[in-house]
Amino acid sequence: QLQLQESGPGLVKPSETLSLSCTVSGDSISSRNYYWAWIRQPPGKGLEWIGSIHHSGSIYYNPSRKSRVTISVDTSKNQFSLKLSSVTAADTAMYYCARRVWFGGGAFDIWGQGTMVIVSS
Amino acid sequence: DIQMTQSPSSLSASVGDRVTITCQASQDISNYLNWYQQKPGKAPKLLIYDASNLETGVPSRFSGSGSGTDFTFTISSLQPEDIATYYCQQYDNLFGQGTRLEIK
Repeated sequence: QLQLQESGPGLVKPSETLSLSCTVSGDSISSRNYYWAWIRQPPGKGLEWIGSIHHSGSIYYNPSRKSRVTISVDTSKNQFSLKLSSVTAADTAMYYCARRVWFGGGAFDIWGQGTMVIVSS
Repeated sequence: DIQMTQSPSSLSASVGDRVTITCQASQDISNYLNWYQQKPGKAPKLLIYDASNLETGVPSRFSGSGSGTDFTFTISSLQPEDIATYYCQQYDNLFGQGTRLEIK
């Protein structure tokens, strides 16, 4: 059964870079039918898509975050990663990784449990 | 950019009630609309994909309909375990604002 697990620091200082990884278990990240995505949720607020990557290297970013976001994939580790630079308190959120179906409505069908990241000095 | 308008933002209903949530797109998105349930402290869970397809293992009291710009999510008979926030999401990765569902 496919599982996704986020990992990374829970506390990041303002102006620094937030770095998270998502480990995929139970299937290969190289499956051609899926993208792998990062989604975040500030406390008490809604869901915001950050970006998605295919194992082939195709990447899509939320235009409003694109200048600060880098998503990469490491097929040898069955992992994909998120880097968000120059963070501020507004980047405090629960960060989820998820699998996105590439066809049709692009549903996010499998989610990690999420990891809370707080931006504070 | 396609805008999504989800309504209502909150809803209170009794056990056994029929509950309806709507999502409207600013332009035609065919049937490329998905629905999620998020319980407090948990990750979202996919319920309906491509407007009307029930995800495997999801109870049949949940359903979705619509195409083009107007979409509806329905719980035919509300159960206590359905208390959650529900989100729509269109193919361009944009989520609706969410509907918080409470028991009356």
